[in-house]
Amino acid sequence: QQQVKQSPQSLIVQKGGISIINCAYENTAFDYFPWYQQFPGKGPALLIAIRPDVSEKKEGRFTISFNKSAKQFSLHIMDSQPGDSATYFCAASRGTSGSRLTFGEGTQLTVNP
Amino acid sequence: NAGVTQTPKFRVLKTGQSMTLLCAQDMNHEYMYWYRQDPGMGLRLIHYSVGEGTTAKGEVPDGYNVSRLKKQNFLLGLESAAPSQTSVYFCASSSFWTVGNQPQHFGDGTRLSIL
Repeated sequence: QQQVKQSPQSLIVQKGGISIINCAYENTAFDYFPWYQQFPGKGPALLIAIRPDVSEKKEGRFTISFNKSAKQFSLHIMDSQPGDSATYFCAASRGTSGSRLTFGEGTQLTVNP
Repeated sequence: NAGVTQTPKFRVLKTGQSMTLLCAQDMNHEYMYWYRQDPGMGLRLIHYSVGEGTTAKGEVPDGYNVSRLKKQNFLLGLESAAPSQTSVYFCASSSFWTVGNQPQHFGDGTRLSIL
């Protein structure tokens, strides 16, 4: 069963727009929520991550919003650029280092110039 | 500093053949993982290892075996390949840290087709 559900499956945004990708999880024991970015032909790479003791984390143009009561978290990409075109995966895990990550299905983002 | 290196990058097999995928990391990480990536299904954990000589099953272990004889290497084996195992396989590694979560570092994948 899919414990982390991600939407939308694909997203097309104009340059300068805001990209929003949503994830919902089921396991309340999850305590670490990373987002990974994957370019074609490459492996995923950590983009940004959040723990449930904060509701928002911002790094440059990338922001994670976290709603613990709703068991949802989202990635916002401000001022989207063509170079942001990639596949984005949300994930969740419990415990400290070495914990197994459960990934969402992925969102293919295309930013048109 | 190469990070995580996977070999081979591409491979075509016939049904019933066997092969081994090799993952090597040079970051002295304790944890290593094998995932498969299929369209619309994200990354699913096949097997993982928390240290040299130890392995454990992940979400989709059937049809695969693994070994971690050396800390820097994690091998994924397919004993009798099936078309359902056509996928892109990713290896990842992460370090041990008692506080907080350490990111998983991924290789660039092995694209495997089973005919």
